[in-house]
Amino acid sequence: DTGVSQDPRHKITKRGQNVTFRCDPISEHNRLYWYRQTLGQGPEFLTYFQNEAQLEKSRLLSDRFSAERPKGSFSTLEIQRTEQGDSAMYLCASSSRTSGRVPPGELFFGEGSRLTVL
Amino acid sequence: RKEVEQDPGPFNVPEGATVAFNCTYSNSASQSFFWYRQDCRKEPKLLMSVYSSGNEDGRFTAQLNRASQYISLLIRDSKLSDSATYLCAVNPWADSWGKLQFGAGTQVVVTP
Repeated sequence: DTGVSQDPRHKITKRGQNVTFRCDPISEHNRLYWYRQTLGQGPEFLTYFQNEAQLEKSRLLSDRFSAERPKGSFSTLEIQRTEQGDSAMYLCASSSRTSGRVPPGELFFGEGSRLTVL
Repeated sequence: RKEVEQDPGPFNVPEGATVAFNCTYSNSASQSFFWYRQDCRKEPKLLMSVYSSGNEDGRFTAQLNRASQYISLLIRDSKLSDSATYLCAVNPWADSWGKLQFGAGTQVVVTP
């Protein structure tokens, strides 16, 4: 499968614990994005990387959140001291300016990591 | 006020009928526009990009109205498999392609 893959798909944790999600983008894509989606809402942008550089972080990304893409390939999103409000689907997406016939901006999403904080 | 707004629906559509719905955006400088389809508890998947002149892909037609700041999606000859949530997405930043603002989605339910 050459799509975006995320791990784990589901995570249940207790409030106060740390969790880490991993995303493996499509191999030739240089941009990687993290979005968060809660029930009944559309995805909300969190942060993105171009290669290994983190170019932008949303104000939604509090200091408990940290994302890395150390070698410009896979990325991790860590949430420290989880809160119940962190319960959501965390979506990773990748894109490339040379995605072919579609204009830049087409995102290829992974299946998401669903977080439940008890 | 949300930056991208959609009628949440649900739009209940008989099989074979036509359904259309809009999405409004607040940033007049928005550059790119997209419709994504999302099935229940699945990831969004790009349905189509929306071009200034409007575009069609099979039974799906997308339109952009910059003056009134909305995009629309029309589905003809609806199939049961068209049942999903349709998310519109807008890129208001010229060089931050991929950083999209999504609406909350419009739910479409196609009934036999």
